[in-house]
Amino acid sequence: GESVGLHLPTLSVQEGDNSIINCAYSNSASDYFIWYKQESGKGPQFIIDIRSNMDKRQGQRVTVLLNKTVKHLSLQIAATQPGDSAVYFCAENNAGNQFYFGTGTSLTVIP
Amino acid sequence: ETGVTQSPTHLIKTRGQQVTLRCSSQSGHNTVSWYQQALGQGPQFIFQYYREEENGRGNFPPRFSGLQFPNYSSELNVNALELDDSALYLCASSLGGGQPYGYTFGSGTRLTVV
Repeated sequence: GESVGLHLPTLSVQEGDNSIINCAYSNSASDYFIWYKQESGKGPQFIIDIRSNMDKRQGQRVTVLLNKTVKHLSLQIAATQPGDSAVYFCAENNAGNQFYFGTGTSLTVIP
Repeated sequence: ETGVTQSPTHLIKTRGQQVTLRCSSQSGHNTVSWYQQALGQGPQFIFQYYREEENGRGNFPPRFSGLQFPNYSSELNVNALELDDSALYLCASSLGGGQPYGYTFGSGTRLTVV
């Protein structure tokens, strides 16, 4: 079965610092990845995605890095703000119709 | 453009009962996927509906069933509720069956089984 895991269950950062959230995946056939943000009482919100033919993709204040050699995904958030406090999930897809989600990392931004 | 809406937002059921959860997909989306999210865990895929047919299923027993209607809205039915069914149930809509691009999640239905 699929196994998507996160290295750290919790992460605390000072406001204005950069955050890095890591994710390991086990299926080398996975070719599409998404990072989601989930705030308390809400559904997952799309942040950024990346396909396996890319190593890096940038969005507004966020960057996703994909290392297929070691099956590792990371999300970098620049200049972290209090509104970034949430649980972050990575999700993988291998051309099928479902995503496999990791357990999640809880990010707390300290003002 | 409307997003994904789910109803009800919360409900409490007794073990052994049956429950129906509802989802309206985002405008233009014809595919609905359902996920179960236990407390402190990531969402787990239940099944996907595309063109009113089940189009893939995760590791959930048959007492989890669904429907998709011509307007692409969907229902999730759970029979013979068990305590472990307590979770947040999420609906995600997308365009086209198969690999889900443009996944948009609703805010979920919080089900508590007592």
